[in-house]
Amino acid sequence: GENVEQHPSTLSVQEGDSAVIKCTYSDSASNYFPWYKQELGKRPQLIIDIRSNVGEKKDQRIAVTLNKTAKHFSLHITETQPEDSAVYFCAARRGGADGLTFGKGTHLIIQP
Amino acid sequence: DAGVTQSPTHLIKTRGQQVTLRCSPISGHKSVSWYQQVLGQGPQFIFQYYEKEERGRGNFPDRFSARQFPNYSSELNVNALLLGDSALYLCASSLAQDYGYTFGSGTRLTVV
Repeated sequence: GENVEQHPSTLSVQEGDSAVIKCTYSDSASNYFPWYKQELGKRPQLIIDIRSNVGEKKDQRIAVTLNKTAKHFSLHITETQPEDSAVYFCAARRGGADGLTFGKGTHLIIQP
Repeated sequence: DAGVTQSPTHLIKTRGQQVTLRCSPISGHKSVSWYQQVLGQGPQFIFQYYEKEERGRGNFPDRFSARQFPNYSSELNVNALLLGDSALYLCASSLAQDYGYTFGSGTRLTVV
């Protein structure tokens, strides 16, 4: 089955700096790659997603890039703010009936 | 509009007991998926239901079962509870199979 590796497990950046979280996946048939943000004690929230026919997608301060050949995708957050502090999960999915396979998460800490 | 609602929010059960968790998707959403999230890990896929039929199943034992009703709400049942079943159980709602998810706030199950 699919395996998703996520790095780093913890990332501490200064407020205003950029943060990058990287994921690799194993199944070349995967075609949907969402990113979720989960604050302590709350539900995961979809922040951005990308499909395999697109190389990059941007939404304000958040962007995701996908390299299908290398089977990796990354989340980029620019101009980080204190409210960006949370655990971020990447995930991958083959088809609609398949579930998402999640990475182990990255704890992002924004230092004031 | 109401989001994804799950009940109960918290539950304590004894080993060997059975539990039923409930989920109401966003109005108009026809697909419901269930995930288990152990503390410190990413969610793990249990089931996907679409149009009242099971469309996908993760790597969980037969003690786990689910169903979807004509109004698209869903129940997750777990029999013969083990200590290791203690986790946050998340329900995810989507328009159809190949769409992004909205997660509910989850049911925190503790098995003692």
